[in-house]
Amino acid sequence: DAGITQSPRHKVTETGTPVTLRCHQTENHRYMYWYRQDPGHGLRLIHYSYGVKDTDKGEVSDGYSVSRSKTEDFLLTLESATSSQTSVYFCAIKPGGPNEKLFFGSGTQLSVL
Amino acid sequence: GENVGLHLPTLSVQEGDNSIINCAYSNSASDYFIWYKQESGKGPQFIIDIRSNMDKRQGQRVTVLLNKTVKHLSLQIAATQPGDSAVYFCAESGFNTNAGKSTFGDGTTLTVKP
Repeated sequence: DAGITQSPRHKVTETGTPVTLRCHQTENHRYMYWYRQDPGHGLRLIHYSYGVKDTDKGEVSDGYSVSRSKTEDFLLTLESATSSQTSVYFCAIKPGGPNEKLFFGSGTQLSVL
Repeated sequence: GENVGLHLPTLSVQEGDNSIINCAYSNSASDYFIWYKQESGKGPQFIIDIRSNMDKRQGQRVTVLLNKTVKHLSLQIAATQPGDSAVYFCAESGFNTNAGKSTFGDGTTLTVKP
């Protein structure tokens, strides 16, 4: 799992509630990413970070925000969850640098009812 | 915009046969390509990569071929085993930002029949 821990592993929530997913890494890598995975869409980038307090949007960032106050933690927040945000969320790191391979966590299955 | 896609969503092979999974990309500026394997209930896992200055790279039982002329990438798995059953994704990365955003194809599900 490349030293990546995602929590929670599963969550069921109701439409309109806020949800925060956590990604924790143990090796202080600079580059961290949040992806969502849906049937028929592969993995799509939500947000990414290239350092503490340095974040940027990916291709599907609407409805999501992120924070990185410490190197080891990258938080993904759904401010007001919608059913379209039901998905599997993966956190990933790039230990080798920005133009290198990704290492993924085990994922969080989120269901918004 | 960039587009990374796979030719077939599913592939079924007999155990012991060779498998070939294909991927097409549209951005001629892409310079780094990766294949990932995803088993059920797990995150994607790196298999092999290739940079645009190469056209072939070999690993253990896997080979990646890159044809920049037609913007095509393939993954060859030799002597396919039941443990190779998974979803395979191609991705391109690294050419456009200093954070190396990766763009993934939709995946090919490989089923190995005993």
